Amino acid sequence: DTGVSQDPRHKITKRGQNVTFRCDPISEHNRLYWYRQTLGQGPEFLTYFQNEAQLEKSRLLSDRFSAERPKGSFSTLEIQRTEQGDSAMYLCASSLAGRGPDTEAFFGQGTRLTVV
Amino acid sequence: GESVGLHLPTLSVQEGDNSIINCAYSNSASDYFIWYKQESGKGPQFIIDIRSNMDKRQGQRVTVLLNKTVKHLSLQIAATQPGDSAVYFCAEKKDTGRRALTFGSGTRLQVQP
Repeated sequence: DTGVSQDPRHKITKRGQNVTFRCDPISEHNRLYWYRQTLGQGPEFLTYFQNEAQLEKSRLLSDRFSAERPKGSFSTLEIQRTEQGDSAMYLCASSLAGRGPDTEAFFGQGTRLTVV
Repeated sequence: GESVGLHLPTLSVQEGDNSIINCAYSNSASDYFIWYKQESGKGPQFIIDIRSNMDKRQGQRVTVLLNKTVKHLSLQIAATQPGDSAVYFCAEKKDTGRRALTFGSGTRLQVQP
């Protein structure tokens, strides 16, 4: 499978615990995005990398959230001291900058986080 | 603030009919408007996009119409099939500055056999 891969698919955690999600983008894609999606809503942008540089962060990304893309390939999203409001689907997407308008982002299947 | 919204949360159509999904947007500075399809348990999938200086673009069985005067975007699906059942999101994007997509809240399309 050469699409965007996310791990784990599901995560249940107790409030206050830390969680980390991984995203493996399509191999030649230099842009990587993290979005959060709650039930019935469209994805909301969290942060974006071009290669290893984190170029933009949404105001939704509180100081409990941190994302990295150390070698410009896979990325991790960590949530510290999880709260029930963090329960959502976390989606990763990748795209290739430099070819056209870059409107076609390829999304992974997401990690569904439930904080109990 | 900026928003991309949808008129109807659920649309039910008969198999073989044409479907029209509508979207209103408020950010007239967007350079592109895009439609994504999301099936249950999957991430969104790109369908078609349209640049802000165009008013119509056709793909395979899909047509996107853009009316900048009333800030309205629509997705037309011809000969709707059961496999078209999903949630459809409109999104917008700028060429410069913010690179991310801004999504609306989605319309669920249900195709009745």
